[in-house]
Amino acid sequence: AQTVTQSQPEMSVQEAETVTLSCTYDTSESDYYLFWYKQPPSRQMILVIRQEAYKQQNATENRFSVNFQKAAKSFSLKISDSQLGDAAMYFCAYSGVNSGYALNFGKGTSLLVTP
Amino acid sequence: DSGVTQTPKHLITATGQRVTLRCSPRSGDLSVYWYQQSLDQGLQFLIQYYNGEERAKGNILERFSAQQFPDLHSELNLSSLELGDSALYFCASSVEVAAYNEQFFGPGTRLTVL
Repeated sequence: AQTVTQSQPEMSVQEAETVTLSCTYDTSESDYYLFWYKQPPSRQMILVIRQEAYKQQNATENRFSVNFQKAAKSFSLKISDSQLGDAAMYFCAYSGVNSGYALNFGKGTSLLVTP
Repeated sequence: DSGVTQTPKHLITATGQRVTLRCSPRSGDLSVYWYQQSLDQGLQFLIQYYNGEERAKGNILERFSAQQFPDLHSELNLSSLELGDSALYFCASSVEVAAYNEQFFGPGTRLTVL
């Protein structure tokens, strides 16, 4: 079974600074997708960014980018120019054929943004 | 607003009872996923349906069951409830069953078992 590990329960960043959230995963599949979801205090799950394992180029979405290291099975999220609205729980997730493409989530990292 | 609706938003019940959670997927989405978010277990996948048929099972207890109806809405039935079943239950939908399809999450149903 695939496992997703987020080793940072909490992180803190100052407004306008950059922060990196870590995620590692374990799988025997060759093709899969990785995701970062954001869960603000409202509890709504919001997709931040996704990466296909076959694509070597790291995904970017505005201020959000990933560092995907397939051999190391690492998938970190970088948030640039952090804003107060970025404060939330961030979940790393894996999706592959062996799990019916259901999302397998890590435990999450709580991000605090300070003024 | 993701387009996925879940009812009710909150549910308070007693141990031993049975409840039904309802999910309406986005228009055009054929696949429905159910997830449970609890303090102990984190976010975990329960079960998936595609166009009325069960496609994948996760860590779903035998006391729990689900189905997807011809109009594509889905229901998650929880029976013989225990205190540990208190959690936020999410429904998510996607167009197809594929990793590249984004799953759109509903707002969740908060279940409290007393």
